[in-house]
Amino acid sequence: QKEVEQDPGPLSVPEGAIVSLNCTYSNSAFQYFMWYRQYSRKGPELLMYTYSSGNKEDGRFTAQVDKSSKYISLFIRDSQPSDSATYLCAMSLINTNAGKSTFGDGTTLTVKP
Amino acid sequence: DARVTQTPRHKVTEMGQEVTMRCQPILGHNTVFWYRQTMMQGLELLAYFRNRAPLDDSGMPKDRFSAEMPDATLATLKIQPSEPRDSAVYFCASGPIGLGVFFGPGTRLTVL
Repeated sequence: QKEVEQDPGPLSVPEGAIVSLNCTYSNSAFQYFMWYRQYSRKGPELLMYTYSSGNKEDGRFTAQVDKSSKYISLFIRDSQPSDSATYLCAMSLINTNAGKSTFGDGTTLTVKP
Repeated sequence: DARVTQTPRHKVTEMGQEVTMRCQPILGHNTVFWYRQTMMQGLELLAYFRNRAPLDDSGMPKDRFSAEMPDATLATLKIQPSEPRDSAVYFCASGPIGLGVFFGPGTRLTVL
């Protein structure tokens, strides 16, 4: 079993929908949680990061962490066709090695106009 | 607009040939990572450096892969000899110490 599990999708929604992307993990020592967005044939791009449990909001994006359940989510409000991409969750143990992250396999999202 | 650059962007080679991939990290970033992405395995960490010193290369097949940072502006990943199973997209990423890293555009490698 992988340390980080992510629904592969694909997920297809109409424009304006609320999107929920989720990851579960098994290592309770993970402290830092990140979401990356990867457009086709591009490198992943850091969207958001959070520390420990709680919510963090940035524009239309909200990252949520529930350490007790070992579950993290990314919500996208008012989804746009430009949000169509693969979303990767990533987790790390301590922030000084935060680039050394364990990644989920990604969820592919398509937002239809 | 600072960004990580990688060369070549695409490489097609025959089994047994040597492949060298290069990366220029963002100036001032002191951690550099090499990742490999495939459909089957997703994103895997191969090796990483801090202040040019290798910290962890446990994800790398040591018999054929090698990673170096000859200077602060250049990281290299070499495969010798290459095999078809090495076909993947190889990403270099850099970051300051802290959260999140910046990925390059990747080198798409095909080994025939």
